[in-house]
Amino acid sequence: DSGVTQTPKHLITATGQRVTLRCSPRSGDLSVYWYQQSLDQGLQFLIQYYNGEERAKGNILERFSAQQFPDLHSELNLSSLELGDSALYFCASSRRPGQGINYGYTFGSGTRLTVV
Amino acid sequence: GQQLNQSPQSMFIQEGEDVSMNCTSSSIFNTWLWYKQDPGEGPVLLIALYKAGELTSNGRLTAQFGITRKDSFLNISASIPSDVGIYFCAGMNYGGSQGNLIFGKGTKLSVKP
Repeated sequence: DSGVTQTPKHLITATGQRVTLRCSPRSGDLSVYWYQQSLDQGLQFLIQYYNGEERAKGNILERFSAQQFPDLHSELNLSSLELGDSALYFCASSRRPGQGINYGYTFGSGTRLTVV
Repeated sequence: GQQLNQSPQSMFIQEGEDVSMNCTSSSIFNTWLWYKQDPGEGPVLLIALYKAGELTSNGRLTAQFGITRKDSFLNISASIPSDVGIYFCAGMNYGGSQGNLIFGKGTKLSVKP
């Protein structure tokens, strides 16, 4: 157990629908990162939050949004889903932005999203 | 944006053989990381490198931070079946407000007993 909790583990939904993925960071970690992993694209950085504020954006579609709540958990919202959105979505956390190593840039086990 | 080229894409080796994989970047990083991902799990950090030229070991794993800061390699010696998985390199420029990792596309390692 990495200490980063992601729910649900699996999600199957239809095209056009909206889903919410949830991440609870490791205790004491303030920064949360979302990554998308698909077969042909590897791990793609989507967005980063630190202590409730957005800090960096990567290749995140406009149909996707995220937020980090006062209790530091984060949610990734995916709307108007398309078949191509099927992927593994990972959350990672760290103490501070960029403080990846000694304090643990730790990944959760991911949410597998299947859009049918 | 920054891109990492990781090679080889896949490797099929015999148990006991040594493995070498590498990563090159179009721009410099001040941190290089190597992760391993098992099926159904998230990536797990294996080795972190902080300085150009640094050579670091973790058991049978050895990684080096290239002098140009644009490349890194990972070696696994005397491979065993549990080494099977996907290995990712990742680069990061820490400092300031951002610390997101840029990942290579991975090297899939298969080990024949």
